[in-house]
Amino acid sequence: KNEVEQSPQNLTAQEGEFITINCSYSVGISALHWLQQHPGGGIVSLFMLSSGKKKHGRLIATINIQEKHSSLHITASHPRDSAVYICAVSQFGGTSYGKLTFGQGTILTVHP
Amino acid sequence: NAGVTQTPKFRILKIGQSMTLQCTQDMNHNYMYWYRQDPGMGLKLIYYSVGAGITDKGEVPNGYNVSRSTTEDFPLRLELAAPSQTSVYFCASGGTSSYNEQFFGPGTRLTVL
Repeated sequence: KNEVEQSPQNLTAQEGEFITINCSYSVGISALHWLQQHPGGGIVSLFMLSSGKKKHGRLIATINIQEKHSSLHITASHPRDSAVYICAVSQFGGTSYGKLTFGQGTILTVHP
Repeated sequence: NAGVTQTPKFRILKIGQSMTLQCTQDMNHNYMYWYRQDPGMGLKLIYYSVGAGITDKGEVPNGYNVSRSTTEDFPLRLELAAPSQTSVYFCASGGTSSYNEQFFGPGTRLTVL
């Protein structure tokens, strides 16, 4: 079993829909990261969080430390949101050195 | 600031050839990382460095080597390229804490034929 599991693996939505991507992890973490990767493109950090909730524009990330679960929400989705969304965790501990363990990614396609 | 830069963007190698993937960051970050991304798979850590002169293996180090002579540069060396090393390679950097955002380079797409 992977230490970081995302669901769904693929997600198709119509423009304007509310989207949720889920991430579960099985290790102790110091932070959870949500990353975005456009087709053929680089990787951009969207959020880093260790508790509660963060919001940036139409994107909202939440984390429940007790349940080892995080969600990424996109409100009023737009075709330009089409990308791969990647959940990653940096583990707790002095020798973790910020190394990330990644989920397999969720491929989001938003149709106009 | 340019952030994290990688060269080349694309490369095709023949089996058995060698090459160096270059990575440079201008954010004065101590921590740097090399990841590979295979289709349908999550990114995997190849090597990482916590400062100049200090490197260590990640999850998939076989077939690769690294060096870190300066804070800015963290090149990845492929010796005797194999088809299994066909992948997209990302370099990243971050501050000196496990609670730090990582900044990724644009990636190098490598094909070994």
